[in-house]
Amino acid sequence: DGGITQSPKYLFRKEGQNVTLSCEQNLNHDAMYWYRQDPGQGLRLIYYSQIVNDFQKGDIAEGYSVSREKKESFPLTVTSAQKNPTAFYLCASSTLQAGQPQHFGDGTRLSIL
Amino acid sequence: AQSVTQLDSQVPVFEEAPVELRCNYSSSVSVYLFWYVQYPNQGLQLLLKYLSGSTLVKGINGFEAQFNKSQTSFHLRKPSVHISDTAEYFCAVTEKSFQKLVFGTGTRLLVSP
Repeated sequence: DGGITQSPKYLFRKEGQNVTLSCEQNLNHDAMYWYRQDPGQGLRLIYYSQIVNDFQKGDIAEGYSVSREKKESFPLTVTSAQKNPTAFYLCASSTLQAGQPQHFGDGTRLSIL
Repeated sequence: AQSVTQLDSQVPVFEEAPVELRCNYSSSVSVYLFWYVQYPNQGLQLLLKYLSGSTLVKGINGFEAQFNKSQTSFHLRKPSVHISDTAEYFCAVTEKSFQKLVFGTGTRLLVSP
């Protein structure tokens, strides 16, 4: 079955350390997204990409970076510049025609040691 | 800019009772509206969406939503809930630019026997 795979499910980061969250999809979707979820705040868009080698900042891109070297993959790096990285991170994908994220991964929960 | 308000952070209900989860939005232009469900430690799943046409939208798992343009609302309803409906529900709106999907803060539905 097609879907989105996020790994790892749980991740711990030390102060000053960069970490990379993986997101892979086998749905042949052109668009991919990264959202951050905090309790009581819903989901906020970090980055999105509509095509390989191109991506745009969302509402809260500071302290994060992404790459889109392959259609199937959209990894998110949480840099040391992100001062409050503890959150639940969700990756999503869609066709360009869909108009909204169609499939979500099961998320990665990032915590600070 | 558009925004979404989910007035109830938590809705407790008994099994087989009806439920309504409220969602109000603000926007100066026409919008698309969505409801997503999130089960614990999982990603989001699209329940239903309103793009145009009939203002009563039917979705999966017996849920439906009523779009009311004059009241700028998109309330989610189910006539008889099950224990398995216990989850968090998110309303979202976009002004036709899919990367600008704005989520509400979520409503936790708690179904008890």
